Amino acid sequence: SAVISQKPSRDICQRGTSLTIQCQVDSQVTMMFWYRQQPGQSLTLIATANQGSEATYESGFVIDKFPISRPNLTFSTLTVSNMSPEDSSIYLCSGGSSVNYGYTFGSGTRLTVV
Amino acid sequence: GQQVMQIPQYQHVQEGEDFTTYCNSSTTLSNIQWYKQRPGGHPVFLIQLVKSGEVKKQKRLTFQFGEAKKNSSLHITATQTTDVGTYFCAGPSSNTGKLIFGQGTTLQVKP
Repeated sequence: SAVISQKPSRDICQRGTSLTIQCQVDSQVTMMFWYRQQPGQSLTLIATANQGSEATYESGFVIDKFPISRPNLTFSTLTVSNMSPEDSSIYLCSGGSSVNYGYTFGSGTRLTVV
Repeated sequence: GQQVMQIPQYQHVQEGEDFTTYCNSSTTLSNIQWYKQRPGGHPVFLIQLVKSGEVKKQKRLTFQFGEAKKNSSLHITATQTTDVGTYFCAGPSSNTGKLIFGQGTTLQVKP
């Protein structure tokens, strides 16, 4: 299965600034996703990152706040824009060739906004 | 919309006791997947069940997929401290490639 490298692993940011999180996959994958996870909670899907086109966002998430890029089948970025303390969370990318074979997760980015 | 419910939310057991978590989907699933997230870690794919009534084993872990393909369970025999973590079930959302995750069951094992 694919291996996903995610960075940064953690960051502390000032409110009003933006942070870009990167995920690099060691092989081409059809599907990539971005999740948010509060400590002790389940995974909340932010969006599906579509290669070469605009991401598909879930209800409650918008492109202006969470712009996503996916220039090819091995790389994607998520930007958390104009951050507020409410954006403090763990952000995870995930990917794989098919939902029928299970997905791999990056190691996560622990974001704290002060 | 499609939902996946998982119970219990938390389970504390003594080392050596058995543990079971249950997963129920609001819709019939093409497959059910199980993931484990260790404290401070990220979810790791454990297994996928596809067939109605399927049972798969991984050492002390037994996974079952219901006959109607709407429910599943994970049973751990004789828990060890290495089993600590949160276990998530997840099912595919129709034709989107997305996974719908349950709320997870957090297992604590007392040595």
